[in-house]
Amino acid sequence: SAVISQKPSRDICQRGTSLTIQCQVDSQVTMMFWYRQQPGQSLTLIATANQGSEATYESGFVIDKFPISRPNLTFSTLTVSNMSPEDSSIYLCSTNLPPGLPMAQETQYFGPGTRLLVL
Amino acid sequence: DQQVKQNSPSLSVQEGRISILNCDYTNSMFDYFLWYKKYPAEGPTFLISISSIKDKNEDGRFTVFLNKSAKHLSLHIVPSQPGDSAVYFCAASSLTGKLIFGQGTTLQVKP
Repeated sequence: SAVISQKPSRDICQRGTSLTIQCQVDSQVTMMFWYRQQPGQSLTLIATANQGSEATYESGFVIDKFPISRPNLTFSTLTVSNMSPEDSSIYLCSTNLPPGLPMAQETQYFGPGTRLLVL
Repeated sequence: DQQVKQNSPSLSVQEGRISILNCDYTNSMFDYFLWYKKYPAEGPTFLISISSIKDKNEDGRFTVFLNKSAKHLSLHIVPSQPGDSAVYFCAASSLTGKLIFGQGTTLQVKP
């Protein structure tokens, strides 16, 4: 499996501010994903980030609110912009296995998550 | 529209007994199914998966069964251990590679 780290692990922010979450993978991967888990809810995909192209956002999520960068094959950032208390969630990045391994494109591995509380 | 459903929010079993977690889906285009375990303050950990061309996959104490006609899958844990206590998510994917998750089932294994 891939080793995935996220920074920060948690944060408390004031409404109206922005927070950038970093995700680092220990190997080069094609696709990276960003999810949100609101309190008591399941995981919801925000967007898919491929290196060298614009991120693809899911219904209900827009680039102005959740800008994403993917500067290389091991790193991505998600920014939560102009935060409100409704943005309080766990934000998770994930990735597939490096290409060439069995079921590489189907299995996703997750980072430890970033717990965000917006006051 | 919930495409992946886990209808039991919680399950409690005795240590050593079997735990059976269930998951239903509605989209017949799903071709790959996964189970994840999640502890508080951690990211989901991949447990086991199954392709739609199979009906069973086993890995140690964990077995996943897939019934395509019923659009139903289940995770069996035998024997259950207290360390298995966690939230279990099932997920499904199609050719897009995007994962759709169920709501999760909290498993408690009592010593």
